[in-house]
Amino acid sequence: AQSVSQHNHHVILSEAASLELGCNYSYGGTVNLFWYVQYPGQHLQLLLKYFSGDPLVKGIKGFEAEFIKSKFSFNLRKPSVQWSDTAEYFCAGPRNTPLVFGKGTRLSVIA
Amino acid sequence: DSGVTQTPKHLITATGQRVTLRCSPRSGDLSVYWYQQSLDQGLQFLIQYYNGEERAKGNILERFSAQQFPDLHSELNLSSLELGDSALYFCASSGTGGQGDGTKNIQYFGAGTRLSVL
Repeated sequence: AQSVSQHNHHVILSEAASLELGCNYSYGGTVNLFWYVQYPGQHLQLLLKYFSGDPLVKGIKGFEAEFIKSKFSFNLRKPSVQWSDTAEYFCAGPRNTPLVFGKGTRLSVIA
Repeated sequence: DSGVTQTPKHLITATGQRVTLRCSPRSGDLSVYWYQQSLDQGLQFLIQYYNGEERAKGNILERFSAQQFPDLHSELNLSSLELGDSALYFCASSGTGGQGDGTKNIQYFGAGTRLSVL
């Protein structure tokens, strides 16, 4: 069965700290992987996507993610977080449809 | 703004009632997806329509049904509502039915309808 799992339920970081959120998937075929962000009270917005090619993908707002096929992982990173990055982050995939979402990771950035 | 419009934003109703949630996809998108987001289950895929036809089905209860109209807007009907149906219901749209790769398969989400069943 296809699945997507996120390791961290809640992450608390100070401003300027580096961020890495884990995501693993279970699927044997060609993957399409996504990271979405949900700011408080808002809809899901696409941060970045991986379809094929360069396993290091860059998204909006300084986020990037690395696809490691051997580890079935697609971790999200940001070198220096800001208070405005406080939100819930969802990994999704492993194909375009139906999209399976991870449980989400709540990121709280404190000053 | 994603371009996906959902109405109403909030809905409060009683157990046993029936409600209809509406979704207008982005201009030109043919696929509409419905998701349910709850604290215990997270974000779960319910159903997908592509150009008026049901394309994929997820964890959708028999009490729930959906349809996509010729103008491509979609409605999600929830009946015999129970307390446990209280959740945020999201609609998403994409350009195609999800086959193959490409930016046309990216799903763009609406702001959601928050359903409270009392």
